[in-house]
Amino acid sequence: SQTIHQWPATLVQPVGSPLSLECTVEGTSNPNLYWYRQAAGRGLQLLFYSVGIGQISSEVPQNLSASRPQDRQFILSSKKLLLSDSGFYLCAWSVERSGTGLLVPNSPLHFGNGTRLTVT
Amino acid sequence: ILNVEQSPQSLHVQEGDSTNFTCSFPSSNFYALHWYRWETAKSPEALFVMTLNGDEKKKGRISATLNTKEGYSYLYIKGSQPEDSATYLCAFPLKAAGNKLTFGGGTRVLVKP
Repeated sequence: SQTIHQWPATLVQPVGSPLSLECTVEGTSNPNLYWYRQAAGRGLQLLFYSVGIGQISSEVPQNLSASRPQDRQFILSSKKLLLSDSGFYLCAWSVERSGTGLLVPNSPLHFGNGTRLTVT
Repeated sequence: ILNVEQSPQSLHVQEGDSTNFTCSFPSSNFYALHWYRWETAKSPEALFVMTLNGDEKKKGRISATLNTKEGYSYLYIKGSQPEDSATYLCAFPLKAAGNKLTFGGGTRVLVKP
């Protein structure tokens, strides 16, 4: 069966410090990978997604970046955190069935347990 | 409707009562509609992915209907239990945005014993 691991669960970082959140998926190959954020009082916002190694699509201009160094590893980073980066970050994966590298609209997302980031 | 909208934002339900809430989405270029349940301290879990107009899906006491022509879906909880307390999210893959899922703001359900 497939599993997704995301860490750390909570993180408190000062403004200006770097960030690295990691997510790994087991039990599937070539998944689509996603980073979502839920800011306080808001819904889930897609930050990045990846359909393959080294392929990153950014959805929102921001202080963050993502990388996919291996097929089942997705990393969210920042060189210098801002107060506005505080929030709840979720990694997710979905099956890539089409073989084209495109997102499949009826493929459900499978989420990790999330990271609560507080920037102070 | 250009975005995914959910109503109400929150609702309180007495244990044993049934309830329902709405997700509205763009009716053009429909492909699928997702429902997720997000319990506190857990990760969101997929409930249903609905693709056909008039479709009805059921999982235990939770069911959902879909009207793609008018762009809405209802989620029903029959005989609510405290363990049904969660935020229920719907999501719509926007064809114009490469099928990326756009989430509604969620309906937060609190079932009171």
